[in-house]
Amino acid sequence: DQQVKQNSPSLSVQEGRISILNCDYTNSMFDYFLWYKKYPAEGPTFLISISSIKDKNEDGRFTVFLNKSAKHLSLHIVPSQPGDSAVYFCAASPYNNNDMRFGAGTRLTVKP
Amino acid sequence: DVKVTQSSRYLVKRTGEKVFLECVQDMDHENMFWYRQDPGLGLRLIYFSYDVKMKEKGDIPEGYSVSREKKERFSLILESASTNQTSMYLCASSLGRDLDNQPQHFGDGTRLSIL
Repeated sequence: DQQVKQNSPSLSVQEGRISILNCDYTNSMFDYFLWYKKYPAEGPTFLISISSIKDKNEDGRFTVFLNKSAKHLSLHIVPSQPGDSAVYFCAASPYNNNDMRFGAGTRLTVKP
Repeated sequence: DVKVTQSSRYLVKRTGEKVFLECVQDMDHENMFWYRQDPGLGLRLIYFSYDVKMKEKGDIPEGYSVSREKKERFSLILESASTNQTSMYLCASSLGRDLDNQPQHFGDGTRLSIL
């Protein structure tokens, strides 16, 4: 069973606009959430995280929002740049990260 | 920066062969992980290890085993390779079991083809 779901396999956005990537989870024990970015032929790289005690975390152009009641998180990229084109994975874990679960990924394409 | 190195980027093996995938991290991390990545399925955890000689099964351990004889090295073993084990394999590490909220750091992956 997929405890972390990314329902959009792909997203295309114009350069300079906002990219919004969504993620839903089912396990109420998850309390740490992360986004990873993956370029072809490379491993995933950690992008940004949020713990369940917060509802927003911001790092430069990247903001993650967490809605615990809806079991939903989203990643906002503003403004989007062509170099942001990659596959983005949402991940979640309970108290420690040894049981981290990943979504299937969303391929973001930012068009110049 | 954390460096997680996987010994091979591409590997081609035959069904029935015993296959070893090696992973080394250079940051003295306690935790190490093996995932496989398949289209539409994301990353699925095969095995992980908290410490030397410790191992825990992940979601899909069948057909795999692991070895952690040294803290920096975590090996994934396909006991008798089958075509359904053709996949991208990713190794990761993270700091320590008792420290909360740590990201995992990934290697660049090994694309394994079983013919």
